[in-house]
Amino acid sequence: DSGVTQTPKHLITATGQRVTLRCSPRSGDLSVYWYQQSLDQGLQFLIQYYNGEERAKGNILERFSAQQFPDLHSELNLSSLELGDSALYFCASSVRGGTAGDTQYFGPGTRLTVL
Amino acid sequence: QKEVEQDPGPLSVPEGAIVSLNCTYSNSAFQYFMWYRQYSRKGPELLMYTYSSGNKEDGRFTAQVDKSSKYISLFIRDSQPSDSATYLCAMSGVGTNDMRFGAGTRLTVKP
Repeated sequence: DSGVTQTPKHLITATGQRVTLRCSPRSGDLSVYWYQQSLDQGLQFLIQYYNGEERAKGNILERFSAQQFPDLHSELNLSSLELGDSALYFCASSVRGGTAGDTQYFGPGTRLTVL
Repeated sequence: QKEVEQDPGPLSVPEGAIVSLNCTYSNSAFQYFMWYRQYSRKGPELLMYTYSSGNKEDGRFTAQVDKSSKYISLFIRDSQPSDSATYLCAMSGVGTNDMRFGAGTRLTVKP
């Protein structure tokens, strides 16, 4: 168990809908990362937050947004969902997040299915 | 061409075999190299972490980085059925948290 929790474990929704995925980092970790894992694209970095502020952005669509709250938990919002958004969404956390090499610990993921 | 290339396998070996997993990359700015193991329906977990070129050993696992060839390897000695998982290589540059992952190699170790 990495200490990173994600809810819900599974989510089934329809195209055009909006969902929110939640992540609680390990105790003491200030940085949260979001990743998308699909069969054809592999593991893709979406976005990183550090102590409430956006730190880095990867291949995140405009329909997606995220935030990190004062208690350091994070939410990833996915809107106008398309079939292609079906994937595993992972959250990871690290202590600092300020430098590469800061170990990231992954949560168990949320499996999103868009019908 | 992808920044990080990794043969997705699948790779099947008998118990006790030496396993060699590899990745190539194109971005010379990468300085940090990692191997993650991902069991089915679980999140990736960090196995090995190496900075710049060289070798690192941890038990049955050895990570090698050859920056001149832009090639990294993970060796697993005396492989066990419990090593059956997908192995992902990952790398990033200095001053960035943007990790790039390989596609992952699916390994099965048969008893």
